[in-house]
Amino acid sequence: GAVVSQHPSRVICKSGTSVKIECRSLDFQATTMFWYRQFPKQSLMLMATSNEGSKATYEQGVEKDKFLINHASLTLSTLTVTSAHPEDSSFYICSASLFGTGELFFGEGSRLTVL
Amino acid sequence: DQQVKQNSPSLSVQEGRISILNCDYTNSMFDYFLWYKKYPAEGPTFLISISSIKDKNEDGRFTVFLNKSAKHLSLHIVPSQPGDSAVYFCAAFSGTYKYIFGTGTRLKVLA
Repeated sequence: GAVVSQHPSRVICKSGTSVKIECRSLDFQATTMFWYRQFPKQSLMLMATSNEGSKATYEQGVEKDKFLINHASLTLSTLTVTSAHPEDSSFYICSASLFGTGELFFGEGSRLTVL
Repeated sequence: DQQVKQNSPSLSVQEGRISILNCDYTNSMFDYFLWYKKYPAEGPTFLISISSIKDKNEDGRFTVFLNKSAKHLSLHIVPSQPGDSAVYFCAAFSGTYKYIFGTGTRLKVLA
């Protein structure tokens, strides 16, 4: 099946710094990628929909200035958590949809810990 | 407003028996449904899907049933194996290119 790679898988940073997470579709072109956040024992919360070459569409309640999303190419989307705080600590997951099938393929996830 | 609901947060099943995970949705515009399996600290992996024009799709030990009139789908795993222990998410595709996920059901298969 299609492969989506996410990097880094784990990152620890100090409060106030910014962290970038990359999401790559390795063997297919993804015009649309999605970013999720998973809180402990809760569902995957859709943060934003990222379309190649245009601005991301953020879900209600997600701060676009805090969670910067860039989808510069058909195979790469990035999520930058700016001025991170401990409450931003979470498991962030990206996904990409395979055009024509509706299937959604996920990255391995990135665990962010803000000290 | 939870458009996709998984009302059972957890389920325990004996190895070899059938596991049935349920999912309900409210939006009749959903036309594609998927099930994902997730282990801790990993991204979800695709299991099986079903289009709204079908009422059943089977792939090995996994079968998904769709009841459009009841807005209900279920995932059957038979026989259940200890390696199936994970959190299972159902998801609905809305056609506006957005996937809506349920809250997940934690399946534990007892050896």
